[in-house]
Amino acid sequence: DGGITQSPKYLFRKEGQNVTLSCEQNLNHDAMYWYRQDPGQGLRLIYYSQIVNDFQKGDIAEGYSVSREKKESFPLTVTSAQKNPTAFYLCASSLRSLNTEAFFGQGTRLTVV
Amino acid sequence: AQKVTQAQTEISVVEKEDVTLDCVYETRDTTYYLFWYKQPPSGELVFLIRRNSFDEQNEISGRYSWNFQKSTSSFNFTITASQVVDSAVYFCALTLNNAGNMLTFGGGTRLMVKP
Repeated sequence: DGGITQSPKYLFRKEGQNVTLSCEQNLNHDAMYWYRQDPGQGLRLIYYSQIVNDFQKGDIAEGYSVSREKKESFPLTVTSAQKNPTAFYLCASSLRSLNTEAFFGQGTRLTVV
Repeated sequence: AQKVTQAQTEISVVEKEDVTLDCVYETRDTTYYLFWYKQPPSGELVFLIRRNSFDEQNEISGRYSWNFQKSTSSFNFTITASQVVDSAVYFCALTLNNAGNMLTFGGGTRLMVKP
């Protein structure tokens, strides 16, 4: 079945560690996105990529990094520079720049311990 | 910058009641797209509807209906005869033309439908 797969579902990180969240899609979408969701709040855009080997910062990119080496994959690294990383992270993909709907993964819940 | 406001943070209704979720947006652009997404307890967002700024026709899909009014910058969502399975967090979002899915989200409304 086509869709977006995020892993792991739950992730625990010690302070000072970098962690990488995986996002894979088999929808043949060019565009991929990372959003962060804090309790009781809406989603905020971290990074987005509209094509392989290109990505742009969103509204809250500080402390995060991404890569887009393959069309299917858009991993997000939460670095030690991110001061408050505990949140729910959602990856999405869509057709490129056509304002069609995005398809979301089931998310990764990251907790700093 | 764009802004989306969902003033109702939580709504509780009894099954079979009708319920309206409010969404007010702000943008200076004349071309934009509005969306509603549902987030069930499993976590992923499920697309419900997309509307462009030039199409003010109301839309009905089964028990769901949407009222888009540019004059008041609102895009409200009504569920008729609510069911327990409608319990979820609902998000309203906005994106500009050619901005793909760089969405600006509202804070969400948690809907609880009690049997």
